[in-house]
Amino acid sequence: DAKTTQPNSMESNEEEPVHLPCNHSTISGTDYIHWYRQLPSQGPEYVIHGLTSNVNNRMASLAIAEDRKSSTLILHRATLRDAAVYYCIPSGPGNEKLTFGTGTRLTIIP
Amino acid sequence: GAVVSQHPSRVICKSGTSVKIECRSLDFQATTMFWYRQFPKKSLMLMATSNEGSKATYEQGVEKDKFLINHASLTLSTLTVTSAHPEDSSFYICSASGQGRWNEQFFGPGTRLTVL
Repeated sequence: DAKTTQPNSMESNEEEPVHLPCNHSTISGTDYIHWYRQLPSQGPEYVIHGLTSNVNNRMASLAIAEDRKSSTLILHRATLRDAAVYYCIPSGPGNEKLTFGTGTRLTIIP
Repeated sequence: GAVVSQHPSRVICKSGTSVKIECRSLDFQATTMFWYRQFPKKSLMLMATSNEGSKATYEQGVEKDKFLINHASLTLSTLTVTSAHPEDSSFYICSASGQGRWNEQFFGPGTRLTVL
């Protein structure tokens, strides 16, 4: 499994954009980059995933570096409900397992 | 998205008893289910992977005789913690995949087990 490095914690003001970085320098060529988040006392939920191109969905955007060694999850307008631990997880096709690292604890300041 | 439920959401038991936790995929067929354990302030640790109709594959260090996993149907997997002890107290989370897309996992809400 590719190793990931994420900041332990980040803070952001409500209604401001948030950029959550992740380094995955040992990612393989076929690994997708998945982002999940876990709200307090809940199971994780899927946020977004991508391979090479930047991706957008209703929850967030994912910007993937050209060399794929890093990616950034972008929350365009943070709300209090976005306070969670965000996990960046490289995982390849045919490998269903997700290996959770320590993630980034995002705090939203009202 | 797909919905995964867990039952019970919270359980307290005495040391030495066994506890069964159910994980159900409500609106899709889950060919694969996963069981995780999470201690306070820690990340999720995968315990085992189970495919419908076959034996579960346990991660290194997880005792298969202590954590019995059954995946008898495409919508139900169970985790039984046998002879539970206080050190087994944890947050147990299941997930399921099998929507036919990439390996997206849908997670249950978790079960908090407290062993007295």
